[in-house]
Amino acid sequence: GAGVSQTPSNKVTEKGKYVELRCDPISGHTALYWYRQSLGQGPEFLIYFQGTGAADDSGLPNDRFFAVRPEGSVSTLKIQRTERGDSAVYLCASSLGSLGTDTQYFGPGTRLTVL
Amino acid sequence: AQSVTQLDSQVPVFEEAPVELRCNYSSSVSVYLFWYVQYPNQGLQLLLKYLSGSTLVKGINGFEAEFNKSQTSFHLRKPSVHISDTAEYFCAVSPMEYGNKLVFGAGTILRVKS
Repeated sequence: GAGVSQTPSNKVTEKGKYVELRCDPISGHTALYWYRQSLGQGPEFLIYFQGTGAADDSGLPNDRFFAVRPEGSVSTLKIQRTERGDSAVYLCASSLGSLGTDTQYFGPGTRLTVL
Repeated sequence: AQSVTQLDSQVPVFEEAPVELRCNYSSSVSVYLFWYVQYPNQGLQLLLKYLSGSTLVKGINGFEAEFNKSQTSFHLRKPSVHISDTAEYFCAVSPMEYGNKLVFGAGTILRVKS
C-alpha cells in the first residue's frame, strides 16, 4: 500500500517568507508526527497529532511554527517569517495509534532551504 | 527527559566483516528502543525494536540488537555486512508511559567497502 507522502520534496524560499509543508499519512493511521532533521543530526520531534488535535506540541521551537490536521488525515506544517536557521529536512511520520508500541512510518521528507 | 548517544559518527568496514554500531541512552523513565535505517535518498525505515521480553531482538536484513538495562545500551550488530548495508543508522527511544515521541541519536554512517 501507499506509504507516507510529503510535498514538496524540496522548497527554496527567501528569509522572511511564509511556507507550508504537506504530509499525507498512511490511510487509517490516527497518529501523525512532525520531526526536523538538521545537517549532521538525528531527527528532532516537533509535534504530534492524535486525530485532529495536537496531543503534544512541546517540540515546536517558537510561535513562528504551527501545524494543523483539520480532518484527522492530511497535515500541514506552517512556518511564518522564515529564518536561515529553519533550513532542514522536515520529516512526517504516521502510526496506527499513539502507543509507544506503535511503529512510526516515515515519509521521504521535505528539504527546506531558506536563503 | 531522554537522550541518546551514538558513539561513532562513521564506521567503515569491509564487506562480509562483522559490525557493531553502539548506542547508549539516558532516561528517568522506562523506554522502548528502536533502530532505524536511512538509505541514500530514502526515508527512515524501522530495522528493529525492543518493547519487552527477550533482550536480544532480531530485525530485518540480518540485523540484531541487544538491550542491556544495567549499561543503558542497545547496540546493533550484524555478523556479515554487504555493500547494500551502506546507510545511516539511527538509534531512538520513546518513553513507555506517555505518547509515542521518538528521541533520536545523531546517527552512525556505516560505509561498507569491497
